[in-house]
Amino acid sequence: GQQVMQIPQYQHVQEGEDFTTYCNSSTTLSNIQWYKQRPGGHPVFLIQLVKSGEVKKQKRLTFQFGEAKKNSSLHITATQTTDVGTYFCAGRANDYKLSFGAGTTVTVRA
Amino acid sequence: EAQVTQNPRYLITVTGKKLTVTCSQNMNHEYMSWYRQDPGLGLRQIYYSMNVEVTDKGDVPEGYKVSRKEKRNFPLILESPSPNQTSLYFCASGRVMNTEAFFGQGTRLTVV
Repeated sequence: GQQVMQIPQYQHVQEGEDFTTYCNSSTTLSNIQWYKQRPGGHPVFLIQLVKSGEVKKQKRLTFQFGEAKKNSSLHITATQTTDVGTYFCAGRANDYKLSFGAGTTVTVRA
Repeated sequence: EAQVTQNPRYLITVTGKKLTVTCSQNMNHEYMSWYRQDPGLGLRQIYYSMNVEVTDKGDVPEGYKVSRKEKRNFPLILESPSPNQTSLYFCASGRVMNTEAFFGQGTRLTVV
């Protein structure tokens, strides 16, 4: 079945630095979603990408969908303490099931 | 306020004692789903429902049952819980299947 791999599993970032988390699928995706889960909280939807090569920005967050629609990335610039949490990608293939990656847990050093 | 409500939030039970975790949404969403979250494994889908009386297995359905008799409710039933079902469970809903998912607050289940 479809697998979505996410790297790195952990990201320790100095406040003010940039980082990127990557998501790779074993199959071509119809779309990909990104969620953020704060410690002790529930996943909250961030964005959905549908088109090949699509790039979307939300303030300091930049989301990209690969040309082949098999990978995606989330880039955060000038990391802040409010960025702490786990970021999940979730890919949807033709069977319509949403498969989540294992997540990237981000901690920030002040 | 638009929300997905799960109950209970925390539950400790014994092996073999049937339990139900309720999930209700007030957004008139057609799509509902259950996930379990375990360290290092992310969110794995247990069951999903595309509409009333329509349910289907996700990736890890063994040991679970669901029903969708009404649009707003999607309970998760563990007929005979076992320790390997100790996990954090999330219910989610969406307007339809291919849209953003709204998650409940989670239910932390411990089976001893």
